[in-house]
This record gives sequence, structure tokens and C-alpha cells, in this order.
Amino acid sequence: DAGITQSPRHKVTETGTPVTLRCHQTENHRYMYWYRQDPGHGLRLIHYSYGVKDTDKGEVSDGYSVSRSKTEDFLLTLESATSSQTSVYFCAITDLGPHTEAFFGQGTRLTVV
Amino acid sequence: EDQVTQSPEALRLQEGESSSLNCSYTVSGLRGLFWYRQDPGKGPEFLFTLYSAGEEKEKERLKATLTKKESFLHITAPKPEDSATYLCAVPYNTDKLIFGTGTRLQVFP
Repeated sequence: DAGITQSPRHKVTETGTPVTLRCHQTENHRYMYWYRQDPGHGLRLIHYSYGVKDTDKGEVSDGYSVSRSKTEDFLLTLESATSSQTSVYFCAITDLGPHTEAFFGQGTRLTVV
Repeated sequence: EDQVTQSPEALRLQEGESSSLNCSYTVSGLRGLFWYRQDPGKGPEFLFTLYSAGEEKEKERLKATLTKKESFLHITAPKPEDSATYLCAVPYNTDKLIFGTGTRLQVFP
């Protein structure tokens, strides 16, 4: 199995609080992605990174920010959590970009109350 | 607009009853089409990559095919352990990967 770990695996937080999710990889892959998965919408891209300190927005980036200061870590921050951000969040990595096989983490279930 | 559409949304099969899942796409300059399997509570797991029309890939009871507009995932004589959600995805805009909403397959003994 690819070395990709998400933390925490589960989190309950209150509306208006900041939340940071972490994705850690041991594969030295260049590309890292954050997706959210909701019933009826499938996996939607939030942000992605194509290298250290190189990030860009996906389809549903409003209310989220990311940082990548090291190859192995990609952080997703919800600046002020809202109930609409209740979801399951997945991190994915690829070596050469979106045209190559992606490996996914186990997901983080986030509930905003 | 680049899009990936999967059908049906859900499929119930009896064990041994073969069927096909569909993934249609409207991405210009296709640079691959991916199939993933996702079990409940887990992240998607890679199954196949197809890069050109006419290409086929097989793995156990699964066979993926690709045309210029769509891909099919054929399931031959499925077993209950094949029950999962099957996702297809295509790259777009250089660095992004877009997913369909998936087909939830249930195979009953």
C-alpha cells in the first residue's frame, strides 16, 4: 500500500472554528490533492499542489486554504468552519500528475455542528 | 465544459449475473481514463488506466474498454465481494483530475 496517512480520521468541530487536516506521504510524490466527497456529488477537487509551495485551486475552493512547506505534507485548513463543510475529505497523491495512477488516503470524516 | 458522467447510479445484480457500467466524458484531448473501486469507509483504490480508444484492460472478473466518448466496465459473473462503488476519472486542465459520481454496485448471493 502507498504510504499516505490522513489525520485526524474523525473530527467534530463547532461552526466558526478553524480546522486543519493533514495529509502525510512517504512516497516522495510530486502531486498532492485534497478532495471532498458528498452524496450525489462524488469526489470534488478542493485544492492541489504540484510541488513544494506550489498550489492551485480546484472546483470547490471557497472557504479552504492549503499549504505545502515540505514534499511529504499537505495541509488543508478550513478558516472558519461551516455546516456545509461537513463531509469526508480525501487526500490523494500522484507521481507524475493527473494522467498517472493516484493513491488515496483513508479519509477524514469532518462534522461541523 | 469538461464533464464525467457515470451510469447507472446504482446497480443490483444476482451473483453470476454479468453487466456493464458506463462512464461518458466530454474532455478535450483525453490523457487517460481511470477506473477506481471504493469500499465503504475507505479511499478509492486504483483499478485500470486506459489511454487510447480501442484499448482494453482486464483484472479477474473486470474488463475495462474505451471509445472516443465513453468507457465501459464489464463485470463478468460477479461475486458478492465485487460489491463496491466504482468511480471513473479523467485528467483535465493540465494538473487536475475530475471524477464521476460513481456507480454503487451490489451483488447478492
